[in-house]
Amino acid sequence: EPEVTQTPSHQVTQMGQEVILRCVPISNHLYFYWYRQILGQKVEFLVSFYNNEISEKSEIFDDQFSVERPDGSNFTLKIRSTKLEDSAMYFCASSVSGNPGELFFGEGSRLTVL
Amino acid sequence: AQSVAQPEDQVNVAEGNPLTVKCTYSVSGNPYLFWYVQYPNRGLQFLLKYITGDNLVKGSYGFEAEFNKSQTSFHLKKPSALVSDSALYFCAVRDDAGNNRKLIWGLGTSLAVNP
Repeated sequence: EPEVTQTPSHQVTQMGQEVILRCVPISNHLYFYWYRQILGQKVEFLVSFYNNEISEKSEIFDDQFSVERPDGSNFTLKIRSTKLEDSAMYFCASSVSGNPGELFFGEGSRLTVL
Repeated sequence: AQSVAQPEDQVNVAEGNPLTVKCTYSVSGNPYLFWYVQYPNRGLQFLLKYITGDNLVKGSYGFEAEFNKSQTSFHLKKPSALVSDSALYFCAVRDDAGNNRKLIWGLGTSLAVNP
């Protein structure tokens, strides 16, 4: 069964460092998303991406964050200068269409900022 | 504003008994409702969704959910719980008003099924 894969599964970084989280969405999917889940808190929407551009983003997704689809398979989330409060589980998801179908999630990348 | 509430942090049920995990929502337009499950150290997995049509929706692993518009609820149910159902369950909603595609999530309910 096709699945969304994310790397790394866990990354520890120092505050102020840049981090790139990588995702390989399901191959025929067209819509891509990043969500995050701070420990003990809600899953929060960060950004959606379609046709090589951001289609929607939340207030959390400030100038420190960026997304990119550098080739036909990868979808990356970059945090330029990490803060302690960026520590969370980051989930990538993809869907076939922008209609309210199901999202397919990766297993998440845990980011720990020290 | 859109919101989702899962009023119970934890639900405990004995194996073989029916289970219910509660969810209520608030949207300005019509709701698109989802349930996802998260097993330990795993990602979120889709269980079922309500978009339109029959209020009773059947999903994966024997789960079902009933959309109740008057009560703005979408409770998750299963007639006979298994120990392997123990996991974290998330309800999510998307509003059909406007052009947004983001899901708004509840805080999650931890389900423990005791043998």
